Amino acid sequence: QVQLVESGGGVVQPGRSLRLSCAASGFTFSSYTMHWVRQAPGKGLEWVAVISYDGSNKYNADSVKGRFTISRDNSKNTLYLQMNSLRAEDTAVYYCAREESGHENYYHYYYMDVWGKGTTVTVSS
Amino acid sequence: QSALTQPRSVSGSPGQSVTISCTGTSSDVGGYNSVSWFQQHPGKAPKLMIYDVSKRPSGVPDRFSGSKSGNTASLTISGLQAEDEADYYCCSYAGSFWVFGGGTKLTVL
Repeated sequence: QVQLVESGGGVVQPGRSLRLSCAASGFTFSSYTMHWVRQAPGKGLEWVAVISYDGSNKYNADSVKGRFTISRDNSKNTLYLQMNSLRAEDTAVYYCAREESGHENYYHYYYMDVWGKGTTVTVSS
Repeated sequence: QSALTQPRSVSGSPGQSVTISCTGTSSDVGGYNSVSWFQQHPGKAPKLMIYDVSKRPSGVPDRFSGSKSGNTASLTISGLQAEDEADYYCCSYAGSFWVFGGGTKLTVL
């Protein structure tokens, strides 16, 4: 079945780096745009980054610009999030999500339809 | 990239209806039909409930419906059931970026 499994979370000191992975299965990974979304403890969802199906287009939230890099390896069906210069406020559960799309007569629409269970990142000294 | 505005909490009794609003701007909610809603139970991943403003994925009960007027989207849950108690988040495409609402806690009395 369609599945996303995140890994790579853990406890890291401020200023250090961490790389998250998201393994995809059950669908043609190379055909889909993918996202990272995070949720700080007791807080709401925050969009982090998106990457197009072929990796040619990437966008980040302002809160992580210059520090986080999204990438993918379609040969390994895996999405990544390289997180550098980590801060306490980056502490969160990080989810990967698949973007689906469709179209009506005169417009396209997009939405995140499949989510992983998340991996926890704690930034603390 | 400002968060969409949702009420922090709503409540209703079993069988009643509740509506959760989600207010953005012409750059997100008002500018695109890519508004979706997610349900999240404690400790669980978000679950897609509504996409393209008003479409329901397979398996989502028709008690859940969505709409939009201008810069405000709404999620209505009719015939409330105990299992509907959860956090609900709206989400909108905003060009190259995406934005979520702050979340609404639904309590079934």
